[in-house]
Amino acid sequence: DAGVIQSPRHEVTEMGQEVTLRCKPISGHDYLFWYRQTMMRGLELLIYFNNNVPIDDSGMPEDRFSAKMPNASFSTLKIQPSEPRDSAVYFCASTINQNTEAFFGQGTRLTVV
Amino acid sequence: AQTVTQSQPEMSVQEAETVTLSCTYDTSESDYYLFWYKQPPSRQMILVIRQEAYKQQNATENRFSVNFQKAAKSFSLKISDSQLGDAAMYFCAYRSGDTLAGSYQLTFGKGTKLSVIP
Repeated sequence: DAGVIQSPRHEVTEMGQEVTLRCKPISGHDYLFWYRQTMMRGLELLIYFNNNVPIDDSGMPEDRFSAKMPNASFSTLKIQPSEPRDSAVYFCASTINQNTEAFFGQGTRLTVV
Repeated sequence: AQTVTQSQPEMSVQEAETVTLSCTYDTSESDYYLFWYKQPPSRQMILVIRQEAYKQQNATENRFSVNFQKAAKSFSLKISDSQLGDAAMYFCAYRSGDTLAGSYQLTFGKGTKLSVIP
């Protein structure tokens, strides 16, 4: 298996623009997580899905952020409109169940100028 | 809520020597999992080792081992025979074992940057 695949690897956008980050989890993994990493706050959970259903989105910072999982092999994290403070590395991770470890993608480095 | 604390922002070790990274956590749960992840400059988060709280035996993976002290809520990582490729950020993480609560997410510490000196 190729592991968790995220795209793009880097994204630079202007303030106010819409940004969409993409993730393909490992096949057969029922749980998908979106994390954000910043110097100030470290790694924080934004949202996670179980069988394509959002379970906990309490970490989503505000209404500008939205996440979807239309099927078991694809998820998106959208920011609209983007702001400079959204600049961070966004990770997607997946796991089979609670008793196994989470596997991470390589992350998307987002820079909003 | 659970918290994870890594008190050493940076550590260094001579190549071939041993280094221990500290981690403490706070929880009221009795069933949980603990992990150490490595993040090299490539940014990839790589699992180093995991420990189930119900297991008394400390986990080991080749040159990596943990000292799990459940009563003290301590989970340190020991790296033996350090190699240049071990240089990275190391994150300690906690996950609940409460299946009913459905808390499947990881709670991370702030990380320790490990440098390996040739």
